[in-house]
Amino acid sequence: DIQLTQSPSFLSASVGDRVTITCRASQGISSYLAWYQQKPGKAPKLLIYAASTLQSGVPSRFSGSGSGTEFTLTISSLQPEDFATYYCQQLKSYPFTFGPGTKVDIK
Amino acid sequence: QVQLVQSGAEVKKPGASVKVSCKASGYTFTTYYMHWVRQAPGQGLEWMGIIKPSGGSTSYAQKFQGRVTMTRDTSTNTVYLELSSLRSEDTAVYYCARDLLIGGNYYYGMDVWGQGTTVTVSS
Repeated sequence: DIQLTQSPSFLSASVGDRVTITCRASQGISSYLAWYQQKPGKAPKLLIYAASTLQSGVPSRFSGSGSGTEFTLTISSLQPEDFATYYCQQLKSYPFTFGPGTKVDIK
Repeated sequence: QVQLVQSGAEVKKPGASVKVSCKASGYTFTTYYMHWVRQAPGQGLEWMGIIKPSGGSTSYAQKFQGRVTMTRDTSTNTVYLELSSLRSEDTAVYYCARDLLIGGNYYYGMDVWGQGTTVTVSS
């Protein structure tokens, strides 16, 4: 199975900050990576697919980059509604594993 | 609008089975694959498997092989997840989620999610 790690696991930030989350895969997955946002008690929401393509309706302050084994999710200017947990997921091969998550909290 | 509506919460005893439904609407059911994902309390997301509604073929995560069955009913646009031999570690919220289809290609992510079904396993 392909393992995903995320760093940091937790970050504290302020409104307006630029935030970057890293996801690393245990083997190359080309660009078969998606990013999700999840708020407490809610289903996850797709933000980015194919490593860098913004899902329809997602604000442009979110961006993704990377290929192979290292990927990043960047929020250019953190907004109050962005405080949540973020997960990466690989869709290169079954099982389609998720990273452990990064919780973004208010400083 | 595109929507996935799941069945209600379940409480089961260890060793029992549970069957969760996910009814799709607002799109052509047989065109899109469907994933099942679960989340234990306070934990991350765990992919369980996928079903292709057009023919009913499935792929399951090795962890659940032998205990999980995913099926579909094209007459009601519903997919089902059945998990047997339940144990306390299966206590979780179970989600169905539609696979994102781009240019005729699959496996880009999950763009529509059900509201989740809480399954509690307790004696």
